[in-house]
Amino acid sequence: DIQMTQSPSTLSASVGDRVTITCRASQSISSWLAWYQQKPGKAPKLLIYKASSLKSGVPSRFSGSGSGTEFTLTISSLQPDDFATYYCQQYNGYSGTFGQGTKVEIK
Amino acid sequence: QVQLVQSGAEVKKSGASLTVSCKASGYTFTSFGITWVRQAPGQGLEWMGWISAYNGNTNYAQQFQGRVTMTTDTPTSTAYMELRSLRSDDMAVYYCARVLNPTGMGAMDVWGQGTTVTVSS
Repeated sequence: DIQMTQSPSTLSASVGDRVTITCRASQSISSWLAWYQQKPGKAPKLLIYKASSLKSGVPSRFSGSGSGTEFTLTISSLQPDDFATYYCQQYNGYSGTFGQGTKVEIK
Repeated sequence: QVQLVQSGAEVKKSGASLTVSCKASGYTFTSFGITWVRQAPGQGLEWMGWISAYNGNTNYAQQFQGRVTMTTDTPTSTAYMELRSLRSDDMAVYYCARVLNPTGMGAMDVWGQGTTVTVSS
C-alpha cells in the first residue's frame, strides 16, 4: 500500500502569512494527488486535484505543485477563513490513501 | 444541485452489522464513482474503499477486506456501505464522496453530510 506522510502536523501562522504544507508518497504516484480542507464538524472540501489543478470556485491564493513522490500545498496569503486542517490524498489506480493531516492554527 | 445525502445516525452493538446509504442527485450517477471515508473522533481521514457506479467494480482498503461490502443501486442513484462485525474502534463519522472518475479512483469533489456511528458493548 502507498503511504502518505504530511508535514508539519501543526502549523501556527498569522493572517497574511505564506504557508506551505508538504506531502510525501512512499512510491511514485505521478500527479495523482488531491488536497482537501476540513473544518471542525464539517465534511472535507476539495481544493486541488491532479497535484496542481485548482477546483472551480476555490480562491487563487491556494496552489499545489509537485509530482512523483513530493508535493506541496501553498497558501499565498493566509486569510481568517483558512484556519482549518488540510489533508493530502493519493489516488493512484484504485486506492486512495490520506496523509495524517496538517492543522493550521492562529499564531 | 449536485448533492449526496446520507442516512441518519446509527447506534449499534459490538458484533452487529452496519449499513449506510448515500443517495445522489443532480448528476448522472453512473458517470462517477463513490468512495467511503471515515473519521474517528479527533482523528484524521481514513479511506475505506471505492466503487464504480459505472460498472460496479470495487476496491477495498486492506484493513477492511472481508468485513466491508460496497454496492450501488442505479435506478435509485444510491450507494451503500455495509460493515460487519462492528468493534468499538469502528465508532466514527462515515462519509460518502463522489469520485471524479467512473472507472478508477480519483479526487472527491462532492461529499455527503456524514453519518455518525456509535458502537456499544
